[in-house]
Amino acid sequence: AQRVTQPEKLLSVFKGAPVELKCNYSYSGSPELFWYVQYSRQRLQLLLRHISRESIKGFTADLNKGETSFHLKKPFAQEEDSAMYYCALRGDSWGKLQFGAGTQVVVTP
Amino acid sequence: NAGVTQTPKFQVLKTGQSMTLQCAQDMNHNSMYWYRQDPGMGLRLIYYSASEGTTDKGEVPNGYNVSRLNKREFSLRLESAAPSQTSVYFCASSDPGLPEAFFGQGTRLTVV
Repeated sequence: AQRVTQPEKLLSVFKGAPVELKCNYSYSGSPELFWYVQYSRQRLQLLLRHISRESIKGFTADLNKGETSFHLKKPFAQEEDSAMYYCALRGDSWGKLQFGAGTQVVVTP
Repeated sequence: NAGVTQTPKFQVLKTGQSMTLQCAQDMNHNSMYWYRQDPGMGLRLIYYSASEGTTDKGEVPNGYNVSRLNKREFSLRLESAAPSQTSVYFCASSDPGLPEAFFGQGTRLTVV
């Protein structure tokens, strides 16, 4: 069975501090991993996917197959990073996403 | 470009009432999905439609039915609402090979 675990429900960080959101997954094959973000009063949107290996809004995420992890990192948090972040796994060709429980990030000045 | 549009945005139902949540996408995607979002549980898949004319159960289908009316529209019906169905419902669309799914703005449903 596939599962996505985000152990932190809430992360509170100061502006300028590093932030790391943890994500671990279980899946028997080779999944695609994503980070989606939901800003206040906005719809869910894609932030990162592991295949692209890019940095978006200063965030990066590396897929570690050995540890089955896909942690999201940013070296210097900004107030506009305050949002709900979801790690998600896509394991089949139908595009179904398995989401983690989400981590609420609050960046205080 | 509207993307994925859901109606209504808010709804309050009494236990036992029925209603249909509407979803339409204008991106010509083949696949559409309904998720529910609950605190501490993330988004869970209710039903999905891989292509026009097909629907399949997701993780939490009990108490729901869906209709893929055409390629654009995918509706979710609650036949007899229960308080446990109080949630925020999201519709999404995508295509095989696309890097992402596109979400609607959500419907906040309260069942009293």
